[in-house]
Amino acid sequence: TQLLEQSPQFLSIQEGENLTVYCNSSSVFSSLQWYRQEPGEGPVLLVTVVTGGEVKKLKRLTFQFGDARKDSSLHITAAQTGDTGLYLCAEYGGTSYGKLTFGQGTILTVHP
Amino acid sequence: NAGVTQTPKFRVLKTGQSMTLLCAQDMNHEYMYWYRQDPGMGLRLIHYSVGEGTTAKGEVPDGYNVSRLKKQNFLLGLESAAPSQTSVYFCATILTEGTEAFFGQGTRLTVV
Repeated sequence: TQLLEQSPQFLSIQEGENLTVYCNSSSVFSSLQWYRQEPGEGPVLLVTVVTGGEVKKLKRLTFQFGDARKDSSLHITAAQTGDTGLYLCAEYGGTSYGKLTFGQGTILTVHP
Repeated sequence: NAGVTQTPKFRVLKTGQSMTLLCAQDMNHEYMYWYRQDPGMGLRLIHYSVGEGTTAKGEVPDGYNVSRLKKQNFLLGLESAAPSQTSVYFCATILTEGTEAFFGQGTRLTVV
């Protein structure tokens, strides 16, 4: 079973600071997704990365996919209170067709 | 266009009671998933389905059963509820592997 490990588990920062969240696997990812979840809601997709070394930007968020496709990072520049939430990485399949597995998540709190 | 609808939104059960959670989607998606989420945690996969009439076990299937008799509906059953099954349950659907997962609003279940 492929394990997705996210770090850190908790992150508490001040508005304006930068931060990075990591997602690592014991095996090679076919593709990797990042989701954000707010309290009382279901997760919402931020990005999908597919190619090793790929970098995608979404406003102040930068997503990187490792060259070997076994790790990924999410970097937020100048965090805002609206960035507060649970950030989850997810990957498909492996040996189980259609299986969608999530990491345990990083709880981010941005203080004003 | 409702997307993904979970019924009920809240439920309190006594230990040993049974219940069924319904996930209904109008997106014509093939794949459907049931997850549970405990406080401050990520999503753990219970069961999933890659098409009408098919089901497969996820990471934490014990104590749960599922059925996908119609493409648009995925039912999650608890035959004999236990306090350890107190959680928030999320249903998700995707069109094909690798695409965005769409989530319902969640069902908050308390077993006393």
